[in-house]
Amino acid sequence: ETGVTQTPRHLVMGMTNKKSLKCEQHLGHNAMYWYKQSAKKPLELMFVYSLEERVENNSVPSRFSPECPNSSHLFLHLHTLQPEDSALYLCASSPDIEETQYFGPGTRLLVL
Amino acid sequence: ELKVEQNPLFLSMQEGKNYTIYCNYSTTSDRLYWYRQDPGKSLESLFVLLSNGAVKQEGRLMASLDTKARLSTLHITAAVHDLSATYFCAPREAGNEKLTFGTGTRLTIIP
Repeated sequence: ETGVTQTPRHLVMGMTNKKSLKCEQHLGHNAMYWYKQSAKKPLELMFVYSLEERVENNSVPSRFSPECPNSSHLFLHLHTLQPEDSALYLCASSPDIEETQYFGPGTRLLVL
Repeated sequence: ELKVEQNPLFLSMQEGKNYTIYCNYSTTSDRLYWYRQDPGKSLESLFVLLSNGAVKQEGRLMASLDTKARLSTLHITAAVHDLSATYFCAPREAGNEKLTFGTGTRLTIIP
């Protein structure tokens, strides 16, 4: 139990669908992150939030839209995705932005 | 932009043997993390190395950092099967919040 939970764990969606990934941390951390893990590629940072403010946006396509309503919750809204967006999406949190990150179990996304 | 190179990418080793995984990075970093990922699972933090010459050990794993050489190593001593996993290094570029992950080393321990 890492204290970081993600739902759903698996998601299959069509290219015209809209869906959202949810991340919740029960650790009292101030920073939260979205990463993308594709086969044969290094883990890619997508977004960083610190105290609910976005501090990093790594040139991510606009079809991915993050939302951080409070320091415990982070969402990734998905719309009109492409098959190449199929990947494992990992959420992480850390006490503050400089500290060790704790990862959730991930959402495995398949875009058809 | 910080670039990270891990080698080897794949490693099969017998139980009881020793081996080292290498992590080279391209620009100044003020800290470096090692993570472990089991198949189908998430990443688990192993070590954070904060300064030149830092060495940390946990069980059969020992990590070290040489910031001048821009090199970190993860040494496995007398490997056992449950160490089979993918290991990632992730240096943080000085003055930047972002971690850059290596491609990972997939370690398989053969009985």
